[in-house]
This record gives sequence, structure tokens and C-alpha cells, in this order.
Amino acid sequence: GENVEQHPSTLSVQEGDSAVIKCTYSDSASNYFPWYKQELGKGPQLIIDIRSNVGEKKDQRIAVTLNKTAKHFSLHITETQPEDSAVYFCAATNTNAGKSTFGDGTTLTVKP
Amino acid sequence: GAGVSQSPRYKVAKRGQDVALRCDPISGHVSLFWYQQALGQGPEFLTYFQNEAQLDKSGLPSDRFFAERPEGSVSTLKIQRTQQEDSAVYLCASSYAGFQPQHFGDGTRLSIL
Repeated sequence: GENVEQHPSTLSVQEGDSAVIKCTYSDSASNYFPWYKQELGKGPQLIIDIRSNVGEKKDQRIAVTLNKTAKHFSLHITETQPEDSAVYFCAATNTNAGKSTFGDGTTLTVKP
Repeated sequence: GAGVSQSPRYKVAKRGQDVALRCDPISGHVSLFWYQQALGQGPEFLTYFQNEAQLDKSGLPSDRFFAERPEGSVSTLKIQRTQQEDSAVYLCASSYAGFQPQHFGDGTRLSIL
């Protein structure tokens, strides 16, 4: 089955700095890669996603890159703000046959 | 409501009791998913419905876990003879079609004493 590894497990940045979270996956059949933000006591909230036919996608301060050959994808947050502090999860999905496999999460802390 | 609704938000049960967790998906969403999230970990897939059909239940940990969606809308996850290792947050997600994008509810935190 699919295996997703996510790094780092914790990340602390100063307000205004950039944050990068990286994930690797094992199943070459995975073709959809969402990123979720989870705040304490809440469910995961989709913040950005990318499909395997695209190498990069950007939405304001958030961007995701995908390298299919190397089987890794990354989340980039620029100009971080304290409200960006949360746990972020990556996931890999084979939309044709499989289920979503999540990484173990990254706790991002943005210091004011 | 506009989002996925789960009830109860918290459930405490004694070991050996049966519990039922409810999920109300977003109206019109065909696909519904259940996940189990242990403390400090990512959600782990349990089962998937397309309308009323349960297409994948490979993630259910044992035959004590049972899920249904009889009318293709509301879903119930039932756990029989609960054990301490069942303690976790149970998340429900729905999507318009297929596997993505998924919209999550806020989960049910289950504690087995």
C-alpha cells in the first residue's frame, strides 16, 4: 500500500518568514495530493491541492510543488502570520482505485 | 448546514459497551469517508461509501467496526464491544464525487474507560 512520510514534525518560524513542509510517497499510482490545516479540536481543512499532471500550484501565500519522478511534494507558505500556526497534513491519493494516505503531520508555530 | 456535521462531539464509554457515531455529509455529496485519528498522528482511512454502497472497508480494524449509509446520506459508524485501543477521534469527510476534494467534519472524540 501507499506510504507517506512528512518532514519536519515540528517547525517554528518568525512572523513574516517562509515555511516549507515536505512529503514523500511510495505508490506511483497516486495522482492527487491535498494539503490540510488542522486546528485544535477541529477537523482538517483543505488549503490547497495538486494533481499529478501539474508541477506547481499557487494560491496567494500558499504554493505546492510536485515532483512525480522523485515522488515528493512540498507545501510553501510565504509571509507567515501567527494565525498560520496549526498542524499541517499532506496526503496522497490514487483517485482511480485507492484511499487517501496521510502523513503524520507538521506542527507549525509562527512567533509574532 | 453548510458543512459536515458529526455527533456526538464527545463520547465516553466503558469497555465492552457499544457506541454509534453519526455523520451528516454536505447535501448532495455522493462520497463519504470515515477516518480514525490517534493523538499526534494523521487520519487513517477506515471505509468509503459512494451513495449507499460501501465500496471499500479495508481500513476497518476488526469485525467489531461496522458502518452504514442506508439512504445515501447520513452515515453511522458503530463499534461493538469497545476496547481501550478504540479511543481516538473519528472523522467523517464527504466529497461531491470520488475521492477529492474531501470536506471534513470536526470529529467525534471517543474515550473508552
